[in-house]
Amino acid sequence: QQKVQQSPESLIVPEGGMASLNCTSSDRNVDYFWWYRQHSGKSPKMLMSIFSNGEKEEGRFTVHLNKASLHTSLHIRDSQPSDSALYLCAASHPSGSWQLIFGSGTQLTVMP
Amino acid sequence: DMKVTQMPRYLIKRMGENVLLECGQDMSHETMYWYRQDPGLGLQLIYISYDVDSNSEGDIPKGYRVSRKKREHFSLILDSAKTNQTSVYFCASSSPTVNNQAPLFGEGTRLSVL
Repeated sequence: QQKVQQSPESLIVPEGGMASLNCTSSDRNVDYFWWYRQHSGKSPKMLMSIFSNGEKEEGRFTVHLNKASLHTSLHIRDSQPSDSALYLCAASHPSGSWQLIFGSGTQLTVMP
Repeated sequence: DMKVTQMPRYLIKRMGENVLLECGQDMSHETMYWYRQDPGLGLQLIYISYDVDSNSEGDIPKGYRVSRKKREHFSLILDSAKTNQTSVYFCASSSPTVNNQAPLFGEGTRLSVL
C-alpha cells in the first residue's frame, strides 16, 4: 500500500469551477507536504508547499494541512483549461533524509 | 537560470544491454535524486545522493546503480536492462536553502527496453 494516498484518481470540472484534491499520508513520521503539477509529457513542477497546520493561499490556489490527520488538500478556484494536468502530492519528514514520497496523483481535466 | 539537464531524452535498448542515463545541474545543489514514473504508480525513488560518493537506496533500487563523482553530475546505470525497466526516468536536485529542499526536476528520459 502506498504511503501517500491521493483522491480522487481523476476529476473533471467545468471552466471557472472549483477543483478539490485530497492527499493523506499513512506514515506518521512525515511533516512536510508538497504539491506538484505535471502537464502531459512534461516534468513535475512544484506548485505549493505547506509545513504548518492551517491554510496557505497563492492566487487561485489554496492548500490546507491538518497535521493531526496527516491530510492535505489543494483547491483551485476559477479553474482554467491550462490547469488540466496530473497533480502529485509528496510528503517527507525533516529529519534529514529528504526522501520525498509521492502519491500516484490526481488527473484533473478542466472542460471549456 | 536554474536547470536540471538529462541526457538522452529518448532511448531504445534491447534486453540485456547496458544503459547509462546522465543528469547534470548547474546550481551546486547538494542532493540529487533518480525517480521512475509509471502510469498509476506516481514517482518512485530509485536512489538519492546527498553529495559526492554519498548515495543511498530509495524504494526500488534493485537492478540499478548510481555514480556521483562530481556534485553537479549524477548517473543512473542499468546493467543488463530488463523489459520491466521501460519507464520514464526523472532526475532531480535540491538544496536546503532553496524552496525548503523541494526537488527541481529535469525533463525526463523515456527509456524503452525491447
